[in-house]
Amino acid sequence: EVQLVESGGGLVQPGRSLKLSCLASGFTFNNYGMNWIRQAPGKGLEWVASISSSGSHIYFADTVKGRFTISRDNVRNTLYLQMTSLRSEDTALYYCARLMYTTDTPFDYWGQGVMVTVSS
Amino acid sequence: DIVLTQSPATLSVTPGESVSLSCRASQGIRTSIHWYQQKSNESPRLLIKFASQSISGIPSRFSGSGSGTDFTLTINRVESEDFSVYYCQQSSSLPRTFGGGTKLELK
Repeated sequence: EVQLVESGGGLVQPGRSLKLSCLASGFTFNNYGMNWIRQAPGKGLEWVASISSSGSHIYFADTVKGRFTISRDNVRNTLYLQMTSLRSEDTALYYCARLMYTTDTPFDYWGQGVMVTVSS
Repeated sequence: DIVLTQSPATLSVTPGESVSLSCRASQGIRTSIHWYQQKSNESPRLLIKFASQSISGIPSRFSGSGSGTDFTLTINRVESEDFSVYYCQQSSSLPRTFGGGTKLELK
């Protein structure tokens, strides 16, 4: 069974940093591209970042470019999102999601999400 | 960026009705559109890929159609478990974008 379990969320002050993790199991992690997608309270879905299976191709939404870093450890089957210079508008539930096949395919499995609240 | 516009924002229906949800793209994206269902306090679930391709485990009452800029998710005879929010998403180009969602609610 495919499982994606996020962790590392919490309350953080504006301007500070936070690192999210997503532990994957039930599939061969290093065969799949992975993504972070967020959802502000009561709002819709926003794609945040993507990383290819090997980690060689990385993409970000303009809203987080230069502040967030995505990485993966294919030995530990873990995806990361390093968030710096956090703003109140980064407050959201952050999901990790797997790409079904290649880069231009849908997100076929999602974690349960981890909440990040940016507030003083 | 490709903007996806979903309509209506809210759809009130009674169980047993058949409904169509619309997703319009700001430019042509062939069939690179996918549909998700998100129930309250749950993660999104993939329903349809590439406009009309079914997903294993998803009930057959869910179907999709369209190409280019206009896409439709159809639910044939809505059941009580279908009341949730539906999102479309494009994978034609970066950044990946989602529509604003259509909330299917009980009339």
